[in-house]
Amino acid sequence: QKEVEQNSGPLSVPEGAIASLNCTYSDRGSQSFFWYRQYSGKSPELIMSIYSNGDKEDGRFTAQLNKASQYVSLLIRDSQPSDSATYLCAVNDGAGSYQLTFGKGTKLSVIP
Amino acid sequence: GAVVSQHPSWVICKSGTSVKIECRSLDFQATTMFWYRQFPKQSLMLMATSNEGSKATYEQGVEKDKFLINHASLTLSTLTVTSAHPEDSSFYICSANPSQGAEQFFGPGTRLTVL
Repeated sequence: QKEVEQNSGPLSVPEGAIASLNCTYSDRGSQSFFWYRQYSGKSPELIMSIYSNGDKEDGRFTAQLNKASQYVSLLIRDSQPSDSATYLCAVNDGAGSYQLTFGKGTKLSVIP
Repeated sequence: GAVVSQHPSWVICKSGTSVKIECRSLDFQATTMFWYRQFPKQSLMLMATSNEGSKATYEQGVEKDKFLINHASLTLSTLTVTSAHPEDSSFYICSANPSQGAEQFFGPGTRLTVL
């Protein structure tokens, strides 16, 4: 059973701070890793993808991947109230299927 | 790019009726689309994988005769909830992959309410 674990939160950070979201996965053979943002009542929106060890930066977002530790994280710099949402970690095992295994999500609240 | 649409965005129906939800990839072709369901304050649940030109693959516990999936073209998949009941009320979301990678882009979702 492939599992993706996230702290459900809520994670509260003050505006302007760095929000750190973490995710671990059980399938060591996983190849592709994604972070989605989901606002309440809306569908998920892809914000970051990462495929190799290390950091990947896109604007205020940085995804970090450590395959040896089976760990992927998302850092949000200069957090804004508009970043308040549930963040979903998703993993693909790369075994020919495009299916993703999702974590249950971490709810982030950015306090003005 | 990578835009997925769904129609309708919301629907209210009477118990016992059938409801069809369309999922379209607007700017790319998708041989595979996915259907998810999400109940309030719960996580996404994959219902089935829709394959163009072949039968859908359903997840364990999802009734294939109740949730009919048709993927007749490379840009359209439909989910029909047959004989809907109040417990089928949920947020139904589709997704698709625009390339040979695993990135999935989601449609805006369809909120179904069965009275």
